[in-house]
Amino acid sequence: GAVVSQHPSRVICKSGTSVKIECRSLDFQATTMFWYRQFPKQSLMLMATSNEGSKATYEQGVEKDKFLINHASLTLSTLTVTSAHPEDSSFYICSASLTSGPYNEQFFGPGTRLTVL
Amino acid sequence: RKEVEQDPGPFNVPEGATVAFNCTYSNSASQSFFWYRQDCRKEPKLLMSVYSSGNEDGRFTAQLNRASQYISLLIRDSKLSDSATYLCAVEDSSASKIIFGSGTRLSIRP
Repeated sequence: GAVVSQHPSRVICKSGTSVKIECRSLDFQATTMFWYRQFPKQSLMLMATSNEGSKATYEQGVEKDKFLINHASLTLSTLTVTSAHPEDSSFYICSASLTSGPYNEQFFGPGTRLTVL
Repeated sequence: RKEVEQDPGPFNVPEGATVAFNCTYSNSASQSFFWYRQDCRKEPKLLMSVYSSGNEDGRFTAQLNRASQYISLLIRDSKLSDSATYLCAVEDSSASKIIFGSGTRLSIRP
């Protein structure tokens, strides 16, 4: 159980285009999902918390108009990188929160490697 | 001070050795702690959850010291396949999110 999928796994696009990344919890419902970005040899940086049925909560320094998040259902959150530029090239990873009793655990999707030319 | 701090390593140890990592956290109200393993160019995978004083799973033991605000991960009889980056994570329950450390790189040599 607790499987999270992400699509696409890899995308290469031209500067100025928009890219949509999907994150799905396959065998559980997730009211909360998280989007992270990871640059080479650096740590995971939380970008935003995606809440089903409400607006996402963005971390300081993350532009909400550039990184659009939609959590339309209990199993799907999407991240759209609008007008992507080369500096947006990174590894984007989502996670879904699974509550078991009093505990919350996060399970990660396989990540999406974005390269903006 | 960072919310979650780890020694970045790298730790380079021979196969069969015992290795330990520490992770310190700043929020004394944190209740849930985790160790994740991340292989190169892959997503993190949950290794262990730590909710009380500690947890053991085979060769892996995690311990929590609330007074000193650190958690540790001990790997016994290390295998070549243990080579990875180990991420410490602490739940910020007030914000409903998990804060990750920058990771400790471990390399096991034959």
